[in-house]
Amino acid sequence: DVKVTQSSRYLVKRTGEKVFLECVQDMDHENMFWYRQDPGLGLRLIYFSYDVKMKEKGDIPEGYSVSREKKERFSLILESASTNQTSMYLCASTAGQGTFGNTIYFGEGSWLTVV
Amino acid sequence: SQKIEQNSEALNIQEGKTATLTCNYTNYSPAYLQWYRQDPGRGPVFLLLIRENEKEKRKERLKVTFDTTLKQSLFHITASQPADSATYLCALATGGFKTIFGAGTRLFVKA
Repeated sequence: DVKVTQSSRYLVKRTGEKVFLECVQDMDHENMFWYRQDPGLGLRLIYFSYDVKMKEKGDIPEGYSVSREKKERFSLILESASTNQTSMYLCASTAGQGTFGNTIYFGEGSWLTVV
Repeated sequence: SQKIEQNSEALNIQEGKTATLTCNYTNYSPAYLQWYRQDPGRGPVFLLLIRENEKEKRKERLKVTFDTTLKQSLFHITASQPADSATYLCALATGGFKTIFGAGTRLFVKA
């Protein structure tokens, strides 16, 4: 069964802390994504990666960075956490050319609260 | 601006009835439209994909229609069950790496 695994389900961090969210997929997918999901706003794309060491900004990259050192692993980094980054973060992956016509496989989500 | 709209109000229906959820979009010309199911506290799970040249797609009790003239997709669950209670997300793929998601409609099926 295909799987996208997010290492932390629930985190509470303090304002100004550096936060790492880790994601691993076991499907040998080329593309990986980080979204955040807030009530009433739908999923918003933060960053994506189409290959190892490659990254592209999504719609809301400010305050975030990413790292993809291995094909199966994609990390989201909050350089200095702020309360407006309290949200649910979803990692996802797809095969082939982006998300165009491809099934998006999501992880279970990481609930981050910044206090 | 580009927009996807799904009913923000929850849909409550009786078990056995057909649930119909709506997805409207503006200023897009999507080549594909997808529907996902999301349970509380979980990630979305893919259900169906329909292409712009397809009018209708079925999978077991699920049916999706895609009207590019009306810029609308309808998602139907026939013979609904309490286990169908979840949030359903509409998603548009216009090309490349970006898929645009709606905020979702919450469905409650009462026994």
